[in-house]
Parts: sequence; C-alpha cells; structure tokens
Amino acid sequence: DVKVTQSSRYLVKRTGEKVFLECVQDMDHENMFWYRQDPGLGLRLIYFSYDVKMKEKGDIPEGYSVSREKKERFSLILESASTNQTSMYLCASRGAGSNYEQYFGPGTRLTVT
Amino acid sequence: GENVEQHPSTLSVQEGDSAVIKCTYSDSASNYFPWYKQELGKRPQLIIDIRSNVGEKKDQRIAVTLNKTAKHFSLHITETQPEDSAVYFCAASKSGGYQKVTFGTGTKLQVIP
Repeated sequence: DVKVTQSSRYLVKRTGEKVFLECVQDMDHENMFWYRQDPGLGLRLIYFSYDVKMKEKGDIPEGYSVSREKKERFSLILESASTNQTSMYLCASRGAGSNYEQYFGPGTRLTVT
Repeated sequence: GENVEQHPSTLSVQEGDSAVIKCTYSDSASNYFPWYKQELGKRPQLIIDIRSNVGEKKDQRIAVTLNKTAKHFSLHITETQPEDSAVYFCAASKSGGYQKVTFGTGTKLQVIP
C-alpha cells in the first residue's frame, strides 16, 4: 500500500518567513508533484520532479522553489511567505511504469498571517 | 499548455438518480484521462481512468466516456448513493509517469437521501 506523508497537517506562519513543506513516499516512485488546492480553482501544479535533483516548473511556480535530494523526499519551499500563499498544499507521487495513478498525501493547510 | 475545463461546479441529485460530469481539454496530444474523488477532509483518490485508445470504460456504477474528436470526456455515476457525495476532479495528461497532469476545477456532488 502506497504511503505518501506530509510533515504537517496544519501550519501557521507569518508574512516574510521561510517555510518548508516536506513530503515523503515509500514506494520508490520516480515522480513527485506539489499542488495547491483552492476553492473553485481545483488542483494547480506548482513544481514536479521526475528524478533526484531534477525539477520542472508547473503552472504556478512563482514564489516557490523545491528540493529533491533523495528519491523518497520532495520539499516545497516558500522563500518569503505571503498572505496569498495561504492554501492547502498537496504532495503526490507516481511511478514511471504504465500505471499513471497519482498517490496523494493528506495535505498541509498553510495559513500565512 | 493543456487547459481542462470542468462542468458543472456543483451538482445535486436524488439518491438513486444518475450524475454526469463533463470535461473538455485543449491539447490534442493528451491521451490519458483520470478521474479523482476527494471526500471531505481527505486526499484525492483515483476512481477510474481512460486512455485514448478506448471510447468507454466501466467499473460497476461508474463509467467514463471519451470523444477524442471533440476533445471531451465525461464521468457517469448511476444509482447514486450518499457515499458518492464528494468533489470529483477530471484531469488530462500525455502518457508517461514523468508527464505533468492538468486538473479541472472540480465538481462538488451532493447526493440527497
């Protein structure tokens, strides 16, 4: 059974703080993704990674960066948090074979005040 | 890039009735179309998917149809039950686990007992 875990379920940070969100998967998946989920906007891709140290920008990368030093771990970094980054953040992983299913983590509700 | 539109944004049906959710996509190269269900407070989970070499796929009370010419695909749920109440997301991507997935904005389905 695939497990994708995220470091926090709820997080409250102040404007200007540097924020780290971590995601870990235990299925040896090559591909990992970070989304933000906002009402009425669905799931929007921030960044994804298809291999260690590799990253690709998604649809809304501005204000974010990522790090993938190990295959199982994918971190999302908010260099200087702003109130418009208050959102639900979802991590997902996916294998490289013919099964394209994405497995999501439980999400991190981030509030920036 | 790919753009996925999803309608309706909300849908209420009586228990036992059918529900239909429709999506359109813009990139004719997309060939993998998954549907995810997200129950309140939980992570999205894959419920069914279809690849462009087939026009329809069924799994018990759920079916998905694909019209490649018109670039639209639909989710059909028959004999709806209260546990079908959730947010449903359609998505589109090219094949390959490293490909990014573009999601629709979601449909909140309410099944009224």
